Amino acid sequence: SQTIHQWPATLVQPVGSPLSLECTVEGTSNPNLYWYRQAAGRGLQLLFYSVGIGQISSEVPQNLSASRPQDRQFILSSKKLLLSDSGFYLCAWSVWGSTDTQYFGPGTRLTVL
Amino acid sequence: AQSVTQLDSHVSVSEGTPVLLRCNYSSSYSPSLFWYVQHPNKGLQLLLKYTSAATLVKGINGFEAEFKKSETSFHLTKPSAHMSDAAEYFCVVSDWRGGGNKLTFGTGTQLKVEL
Repeated sequence: SQTIHQWPATLVQPVGSPLSLECTVEGTSNPNLYWYRQAAGRGLQLLFYSVGIGQISSEVPQNLSASRPQDRQFILSSKKLLLSDSGFYLCAWSVWGSTDTQYFGPGTRLTVL
Repeated sequence: AQSVTQLDSHVSVSEGTPVLLRCNYSSSYSPSLFWYVQHPNKGLQLLLKYTSAATLVKGINGFEAEFKKSETSFHLTKPSAHMSDAAEYFCVVSDWRGGGNKLTFGTGTQLKVEL
């Protein structure tokens, strides 16, 4: 069966510090991968998606970037965090080439102080 | 462009009474529609999905939803609420995007279940 992992589970970082959040998927090959952010009291916003290694699409301009160095690894980064980057970050995967379900990881709670 | 409107930001029911969470969608294509549930500080769990088969979709934990094209609605129901159903629920529409699907989320409905 497929599983999706995210770490760390929680993170408190000062403004201006770098960020690296990691997501890995097990039990499937060539998945589509997604990063979402959920700000307090709001719905989910798609940040990035990837349909293959090195292929990243950005949905909104922002202070963040994403990379996919391996087939089942998806990394969310920032060089300098802003207060507005605080939120709950969710990684998700789906089967390539379909409009099938996206499966979500447990999330990372990021607080920027 | 596709969009989703969840008509109630908060719904409160008594345990054992029916649940109705309302959702309207807008899509240029025949949509795939989903309901997800999120418990506090947890990831999202799929409740059910509609992908142009039967219009009445049954999901986990006794939930079901009916796709009504004429009303562009996909309301979520459950005959009898349980305390463990208290969570936030998201209605979602899917769009094909170059090898992957993009999900557009509603703003969520917080369900409270009281004794």
